[in-house]
Amino acid sequence: DTGVSQDPRHKITKRGQNVTFRCDPISEHNRLYWYRQTLGQGPEFLTYFQNEAQLEKSRLLSDRFSAERPKGSFSTLEIQRTEQGDSAMYLCASSLALSGQPTQGTQYFGPGTRLTVL
Amino acid sequence: KQEVTQIPAALSVPEGENLVLNCSFTDSAIYNLQWFRQDPGKGLTSLLLIQSSQREQTSGRLNASLDKSSGRSTLYIAASQPGDSATYLCAVPLTKDSSYKLIFGSGTRLLVRP
Repeated sequence: DTGVSQDPRHKITKRGQNVTFRCDPISEHNRLYWYRQTLGQGPEFLTYFQNEAQLEKSRLLSDRFSAERPKGSFSTLEIQRTEQGDSAMYLCASSLALSGQPTQGTQYFGPGTRLTVL
Repeated sequence: KQEVTQIPAALSVPEGENLVLNCSFTDSAIYNLQWFRQDPGKGLTSLLLIQSSQREQTSGRLNASLDKSSGRSTLYIAASQPGDSATYLCAVPLTKDSSYKLIFGSGTRLLVRP
């Protein structure tokens, strides 16, 4: 396993178009996270999955955003009717969370998808 | 509300110098703290994870310490090299709801001059 992968690496789109990003986590990891990072800032949490269940969505995630993780494997993040403010790096991370454990292991990040909305 | 601050925002040092990056957090009830490296336009690479029960972790030329009571962590880089130039981010999990979503600082942008 080569780690977390994301596709595409770069996406340029026009305002109003829909875009979809894909994340493939490390195969044995049951948790998957999406973050958004703008220039000069640290990543901000968007949403996360435990297996196939989406357990939390940040208030940053408007109704135009939707994420799925069918069968608890890869995940997709779709942005509808993109706006210029959506331009950012979208990062995916995965980790292994063990039930009954108060702590979890390292979150491993993918290379990110850089979105530019013109 | 957990907030993470990193000082300095940017640092430029000559090659070979030892340096310290600082990270502070407002809520000391953390399970762990993680340091990451990010190269320009790239994703994050995990460097070190310190559990709340630990005081420090070492990996090669990197040493991270954690003082929960004061809400501080430091990343020490020994004998810096130009290849260490990157942005260094610290993050703590927001654990009150057990989601372990990470709260990041804004990072320290490091430039090591040859």
